[in-house]
Amino acid sequence: GQNIDQPTEMTATEGAIVQINCTYQTSGFNGLFWYQQHAGEAPTFLSYNVLDGLEEKGRFSSFLSRSKGYSYLLLKELQMKDSASYLCAVRILTGGGNKLTFGTGTQLKVEL
Amino acid sequence: EPEVTQTPSHQVTQMGQEVILRCVPISNHLYFYWYRQILGQKVEFLVSFYNNEISEKSEIFDDQFSVERPDGSNFTLKIRSTKLEDSAMYFCASQIRTGINTEAFFGQGTRLTVV
Repeated sequence: GQNIDQPTEMTATEGAIVQINCTYQTSGFNGLFWYQQHAGEAPTFLSYNVLDGLEEKGRFSSFLSRSKGYSYLLLKELQMKDSASYLCAVRILTGGGNKLTFGTGTQLKVEL
Repeated sequence: EPEVTQTPSHQVTQMGQEVILRCVPISNHLYFYWYRQILGQKVEFLVSFYNNEISEKSEIFDDQFSVERPDGSNFTLKIRSTKLEDSAMYFCASQIRTGINTEAFFGQGTRLTVV
């Protein structure tokens, strides 16, 4: 089966850096995605890794180690608006498409 | 910027009634998905759709569920006889193609409440 683990909650200070970890055990791995979700809203795409290493996108970076089944999302220069749930999702290669299997999400609270 | 649109944003229905949730995917996308998120829980895959047929479905997607692309733009999810446990946020997503460097874009969701 598919198993994706990430911490339930994290708290960080405005202006700081926070790292949200995700570990996964899946078959048919075809990439790892990070989405941001504000309460009651749709997930919005942040980053994508399919090869090992670091992908940087402005204040957000994401890292992947396929051999370890591990990824993290790094958020720099935290802003209050970054308070949201961060969803780790693994894309599973299937015959007819690429479904996403989501973790439970990490609720990040940014404080002054 | 193109986006996935869903209607209605909220739907309240009585148990046993049929509901149809509507989605307009991004126009040049070829792969379509429905996901749901029960309040406080994780986003769960329901079904994927490509080339006018279901390509994969989850265990949740039983005989009460169906999807259709009735014309060139709409993609619908029908729940034939709703149950209380169908109350959730339903997200439609579309993707231009499969393969690397392609992400799924999500609509704003329909909050379904079954009473």
